[in-house]
Amino acid sequence: EDQVTQSPEALRLQEGESSSLNCSYTVSGLRGLFWYRQDPGKGPEFLFTLYSAGEEKEKERLKATLTKKESFLHITAPKPEDSATYLCAVQAQGEGGSEKLVFGKGTKLTVNP
Amino acid sequence: DSGVTQTPKHLITATGQRVTLRCSPRSGDLSVYWYQQSLDQGLQFLIQYYNGEERAKGNILERFSAQQFPDLHSELNLSSLELGDSALYFCASSANRGETQYFGPGTRLLVL
Repeated sequence: EDQVTQSPEALRLQEGESSSLNCSYTVSGLRGLFWYRQDPGKGPEFLFTLYSAGEEKEKERLKATLTKKESFLHITAPKPEDSATYLCAVQAQGEGGSEKLVFGKGTKLTVNP
Repeated sequence: DSGVTQTPKHLITATGQRVTLRCSPRSGDLSVYWYQQSLDQGLQFLIQYYNGEERAKGNILERFSAQQFPDLHSELNLSSLELGDSALYFCASSANRGETQYFGPGTRLLVL
């Protein structure tokens, strides 16, 4: 069964204090790994898709990387507006044709000014 | 704004009742997905439609059903509601199978 584990569950940073969020996964053939940001009571907002080990993508203060077993979301010099829950999800190949996403439980990031 | 719309935003109902949640995908997107998010379970896949046809089912209860119409909007029907069905229900859409899924703002369901 496909599984996604995110750590830590919660992370508090001071503004400007860089850190990384981890997403470990087991999947029967990875089609893609996705990062989303979710604010309270809102829908997940797409950030990145990674397809193969070694791939990296950047957007403003965020950088996502992928290995064969895990992905990291690096946050450089975070600001209070980066406070949110960050969700990692995997999409498997095959499985009877389903393109469902399997989500981790998320990392709740709080950035204090 | 992802371009995916969901109505209603909030729904309060009683146990045993039936409700319908509506989703309009992004313009041109053929795939629609429904997910349930509860505090203890996180985001769970319910069902997927592609161009009007059911494509995959997740852990969707028999009391729940869905359909996708010719104009590609989708409805999720929840019946014989129980307290445990209280959750956020999200719809997502993608242009084609396997492509990035964009999520709507969700419907918050409260069953009393």
